[in-house]
Amino acid sequence: GNSVTQMEGPVTLSEEAFLTINCTYTATGYPSLFWYVQYPGEGLQLLLKATKADDKGSNKGFEATYRKETTSFHLEKGSVQVSDSAVYFCALSRDGATNKLIFGTGTLLAVQP
Amino acid sequence: DAGITQSPRHKVTETGTPVTLRCHQTENHRYMYWYRQDPGHGLRLIHYSYGVKDTDKGEVSDGYSVSRSKTEDFLLTLESATSSQTSVYFCAISPGEETQYFGPGTRLLVL
Repeated sequence: GNSVTQMEGPVTLSEEAFLTINCTYTATGYPSLFWYVQYPGEGLQLLLKATKADDKGSNKGFEATYRKETTSFHLEKGSVQVSDSAVYFCALSRDGATNKLIFGTGTLLAVQP
Repeated sequence: DAGITQSPRHKVTETGTPVTLRCHQTENHRYMYWYRQDPGHGLRLIHYSYGVKDTDKGEVSDGYSVSRSKTEDFLLTLESATSSQTSVYFCAISPGEETQYFGPGTRLLVL
């Protein structure tokens, strides 16, 4: 079946460090891929998405490239800030009729000043 | 921000009691979803709706029922709450282009 695997957290970084959060997926066909972010005490917000192979999603300095050959959608940011501290979820959508999302388990990012 | 609210935001209840959580949207979106969030599991889909009176089960639907009598409201009911249903519940809405927009969540504690 369809599934998403994320790297275990927490990830602890110093401010201005480079961030990579790994995400791989298993799915038939061509899913759309998403990164959502959850700040403490809040709901999830869409961070970025990509709908086909080799697409790059980007937002707020974050980027992720849809790699079909490696079934991956790794999240990267060149210089993290304390305000980026949150839980990051990778997700895929395979069912265009119902838009159901399948989420990874989430990765907690803690950025220290 | 998408116009989506959840009520109550926090609830403590006892095992065996019925509980209803409400999701309300002002966006007139067709699709609505209920998820639960638990450590180590991410978000898991409980039920979803693709229109008024049109609902279907998600991956963890046992012990839950839903109703949608109006476009703007999607209710999640725990008929007889159990401690395993202690969780954070999120509602989401979608206009149908795959992106979902989430509410602020409801923290439910079943004693």
